[in-house]
Amino acid sequence: GQQLNQSPQSMFIQEGEDVSMNCTSSSIFNTWLWYKQDPGEGPVLLIALYKAGELTSNGRLTAQFGITRKDSFLNISASIPSDVGIYFCAGQTTDSWGKLQFGAGTQVVVTP
Amino acid sequence: DAGVIQSPRHEVTEMGQEVTLRCKPISGHDYLFWYRQTMMRGLELLIYFNNNVPIDDSGMPEDRFSAKMPNASFSTLKIQPSEPRDSAVYFCASSFSGDEKLFFGSGTQLSVL
Repeated sequence: GQQLNQSPQSMFIQEGEDVSMNCTSSSIFNTWLWYKQDPGEGPVLLIALYKAGELTSNGRLTAQFGITRKDSFLNISASIPSDVGIYFCAGQTTDSWGKLQFGAGTQVVVTP
Repeated sequence: DAGVIQSPRHEVTEMGQEVTLRCKPISGHDYLFWYRQTMMRGLELLIYFNNNVPIDDSGMPEDRFSAKMPNASFSTLKIQPSEPRDSAVYFCASSFSGDEKLFFGSGTQLSVL
C-alpha cells in the first residue's frame, strides 16, 4: 500500500494558471522524484531532488525538497493544454534503496 | 536512445491461461523493476533485479507470479494461472546503479476475462 499522501487528488484549471501539488510522508526520505503519466504511457521523470531544502526547476516546473525531509512540492507555472496528465510523487528512505514509494497521483485537467 | 521496451502493449486472455510479459531495459542499466498499476492500489513494486539477480520479491502477490531475468537485456513476468483480479497495467522500469531515477516502459495493459 501507499504511505505517501499526495494532494490534491485532481485539479481543473484554466490555461495560463499556476498549479501546485504536494506530497507528505510519515517517513524521512533521502530522495524525492516527480513523474508525469500521460494516458496509455508509463510515468516519465520530471524532476529529481536529493537534498533537504533543494529547489529545482525544469522549464515551467519547479519542485522543492521539504526541509523536514518528509514533504515535497511541485509547481507548474502558466499551464498549457499539454500539461494534462497525472502527476506522481515518489520517495525513497535511506534503508529501502530500490523500493520507491509512490503517491496516488494528482490528475490535472487544463481547459482553454 | 531507446527507452525501456515492453511487449505486448495489450493482452487479453481468459482466466486460467498463462500470461507472459516481456521487458528490455535501457542498455547499461543494471537494475530492473516490475510494477503493477491499478486504480485501487496505484503503483506497486512487485520485484526488482540487480545484475540479473532477484533482490526483493516481497511485492509479488502470490505463487502464481514469477519473474526471471536470464540476461542483462531481457526480463519476463509470468502469471500462471491468470485470474480476473490480475487485470492491471504492468510496468517495467530500469535504472543505473546508485541512481534512484527510474525510467519506465509504456506498460502492458492486461485484461483477464
